[in-house]
Amino acid sequence: QKEVEQNSGPLSVPEGAIASLNCTYSDRGSQSFFWYRQFSGKSPELIMSIYSNGDKEDGRFTAQLNRASQYISLLIRDSKLSDSATYLCVVTPILTGGGNKLTFGTGTQLKVEL
Amino acid sequence: DVKVTQSSRYLVKRTGEKVFLECVQDMDHENMFWYRQDPGLGLRLIYFSYDVKMKEKGDIPEGYSVSREKKERFSLILESASTNQTSMYLCASSLETGELFFGEGSRLTVL
Repeated sequence: QKEVEQNSGPLSVPEGAIASLNCTYSDRGSQSFFWYRQFSGKSPELIMSIYSNGDKEDGRFTAQLNRASQYISLLIRDSKLSDSATYLCVVTPILTGGGNKLTFGTGTQLKVEL
Repeated sequence: DVKVTQSSRYLVKRTGEKVFLECVQDMDHENMFWYRQDPGLGLRLIYFSYDVKMKEKGDIPEGYSVSREKKERFSLILESASTNQTSMYLCASSLETGELFFGEGSRLTVL
């Protein structure tokens, strides 16, 4: 069974620190990887996508993909209180499109504290 | 901005009732989806549609049906609601890149 696994948390980090969120996936055929953020009581929103091995940076966010280890991470630098949310790791075997083939992790709750 | 609108944020229904959840998107997306989200289980795909009048079963279609008569509208139907269908229901539409745009969700309670 294809799975995406995340530690449910909560992961607590002080404001200004680096938050590191991790995810492993079981399907070696996976092609596209996404991080969605979900605030409490809200719906998920896409914050990062990554398709190639290595790092991808966007502002304070860096997504990292290691295909050999089947491992994805999301680093949030200079964490802010407003980053407190649940972060969902999402994987698909399709390079483009294929929204119906997305596999969602159960999410890691991040708490940024004063 | 992409907007996906779900008709009801909160519903309370009784066992056996027929329930309609409606979703409208304004970005001319081909693909639309219905998920349910439960604590500890993540998002699970119920049905999706890649064109008008076209539908495909997702991972958990039992007890549900869908309708897509117009491109912008995708409806989820619970023919006879049961207590195990109490959940948060999320509609989404997508580009060909696979990025999903979600509606605000409909929290359904079946008594």
